[in-house]
Amino acid sequence: GQQVMQIPQYQHVQEGEDFTTYCNSSTTLSNIQWYKQRPGGHPVFLIQLVKSGEVKKQKRLTFQFGEAKKNSSLHITATQTTDVGTYFCAGVGGAGSYQLTFGKGTKLSVIP
Amino acid sequence: DSGVTQTPKHLITATGQRVTLRCSPRSGDLSVYWYQQSLDQGLQFLIQYYNGEERAKGNILERFSAQQFPDLHSELNLSSLELGDSALYFCASSPGIVYEQYFGPGTRLTVT
Repeated sequence: GQQVMQIPQYQHVQEGEDFTTYCNSSTTLSNIQWYKQRPGGHPVFLIQLVKSGEVKKQKRLTFQFGEAKKNSSLHITATQTTDVGTYFCAGVGGAGSYQLTFGKGTKLSVIP
Repeated sequence: DSGVTQTPKHLITATGQRVTLRCSPRSGDLSVYWYQQSLDQGLQFLIQYYNGEERAKGNILERFSAQQFPDLHSELNLSSLELGDSALYFCASSPGIVYEQYFGPGTRLTVT
């Protein structure tokens, strides 16, 4: 079945440093979504990428979808303490597949 | 607040027992998803319903079952509970089949 791998599993950064998490799928994806889960909270939808090579920005967050639609990344510029949480990518498989497969997430800690 | 409600918030029960978790999706959403999240684990997809019908099945144990009712709320039934079933159970909803998902606050199940 479809697998979505996410690295790193944990990342500790100094406030103000940049952060990147990477997501790789074993199969071509029709789209990929990113979610953030704060400690003690529930996952919250951040963004969806659909097109090959797509890049989207949300303030300090930059999301990319690979040309082959098998990988994606989330980059945060100048992290803040409010960025703390676990970031999950979730991919939807190819044609005919509707199941969202989540990666195991990257847990980000920001040291003030 | 995502608009998805889950009850109860916490549930403590003994091994061998049966429990029912309830989820009400956002107004207008037709799809409901159930996920299991264990400590330091990602989100394990259990099952998806769309407008009352089962749409996709993930790693759901035979001891677990779910349904979506005509008013679109959903229930997840867990029976013959084992210690390893202790986890956070999230419900999510979305407008259709391949859309962003909105998660409820979760039900924390503790099996003793």
